[in-house]
Amino acid sequence: SQTIHQWPATLVQPVGSPLSLECTVEGTSNPNLYWYRQAAGRGLQLLFYSVGIGQISSEVPQNLSASRPQDRQFILSSKKLLLSDSGFYLCAWTPQTFSGLLIGYEQYFGPGTRLTVT
Amino acid sequence: GENVEQHPSTLSVQEGDSAVIKCTYSDSASNYFPWYKQELGKRPQLIIDIRSNVGEKKDQRIAVTLNKTAKHFSLHITETQPEDSAVYFCAASRFTGANSKLTFGKGITLSVRP
Repeated sequence: SQTIHQWPATLVQPVGSPLSLECTVEGTSNPNLYWYRQAAGRGLQLLFYSVGIGQISSEVPQNLSASRPQDRQFILSSKKLLLSDSGFYLCAWTPQTFSGLLIGYEQYFGPGTRLTVT
Repeated sequence: GENVEQHPSTLSVQEGDSAVIKCTYSDSASNYFPWYKQELGKRPQLIIDIRSNVGEKKDQRIAVTLNKTAKHFSLHITETQPEDSAVYFCAASRFTGANSKLTFGKGITLSVRP
């Protein structure tokens, strides 16, 4: 079965410090991977998604970046954190398929990282 | 792009009653519609989904209906229980293979009163 991991689970960082959040998926190959941010009491904002190693698409302009150095590893980074970067960061994955018969997919979320920027 | 809206933003029901949460979408080409449940401090969990080639899907106490003409889909929860209290998100996607993405609604907070 497939499993998705995120670490750290919680993080408190000062403004201006760097950030690195990691997500890994087990039990599958060549997944689509996604980074979301959820501000307190708010909805899910898609930040980045990746369809393969080194392939990153950005959804919103910000001071965050993402990388995919390995097939099942997705990293979210920042060089200098802002107060507005606080939130619940969720990684998600879906199986990648090119079957003409499949018209949808299921997306599964990791446990999340709760980031507080002080 | 796709726009998904959820109404109402909060819903309170008495334990044992039914709850209905409705979502509308804008892209008539969307063909996949999942529902997620998020308990406080936890990750969203996929609870049910529907594809555009069916009009209704049921799984025990929950069901989802899809009206492609009106571009809306609804989550139905029967015999609600306190543990159904959570935030529910709907989403829509136009599956295009590798580049498919979900567009989420803003979420609805469901409270089930014991």
